Amino acid sequence: EAQVTQNPRYLITVTGKKLTVTCSQNMNHEYMSWYRQDPGLGLRQIYYSMNVEVTDKGDVPEGYKVSRKEKRNFPLILESPSPNQTSLYFCASSFGQSVNTEAFFGQGTRLTVV
Amino acid sequence: AQSVTQLGSHVSVSEGALVLLRCNYSSSVPPYLFWYVQYPNQGLQLLLKYTTGATLVKGINGFEAEFKKSETSFHLTKPSAHMSDAAEYFCAVRTSGGSYIPTFGRGTSLIVHP
Repeated sequence: EAQVTQNPRYLITVTGKKLTVTCSQNMNHEYMSWYRQDPGLGLRQIYYSMNVEVTDKGDVPEGYKVSRKEKRNFPLILESPSPNQTSLYFCASSFGQSVNTEAFFGQGTRLTVV
Repeated sequence: AQSVTQLGSHVSVSEGALVLLRCNYSSSVPPYLFWYVQYPNQGLQLLLKYTTGATLVKGINGFEAEFKKSETSFHLTKPSAHMSDAAEYFCAVRTSGGSYIPTFGRGTSLIVHP
């Protein structure tokens, strides 16, 4: 089954404790992206990757890091989480060069930073 | 540059009534347009998309949308709302010409009253 898998689904952590949210896709997609969803603000892109070892900042990259060492994986790293990073996070993937194809989304990770 | 505007953060309808969710886009090149739906505690899933060809696009669950270039619009409609349609709906645009990054609207929450 074609899917994007995020882990964990729920995470509560304390300020300053490094964490990683994993994302994996099994569709051989070139393009992967991280979004955060906040009430009234919709989906805002954090980082995206057009292919292995190619990443770029989205609209709200501050406080986040990503890496793309393999095509299927695109982890999101919060080196020193702060309460303003409490949010719902989504990973998405799609064929990079085919703009007429849709994005596939993971189930989301609800992060709370206390 | 491309952008998407969804008019109305909340739309409320009665069960059986017409659903109309508005989306306007801005793009200097031909757009590829998408509607996604997000049910509570789930990720986004594709409802329908416009790429080329027929401007009236039919999607899942009885939804359809019409691409109107002259109005730069891609409004989502359904003739008769069902309680199960209550969800968050996102319009998105993707263009070629060097930028493959999808842009999402802020979302519209559809509320269906019995």
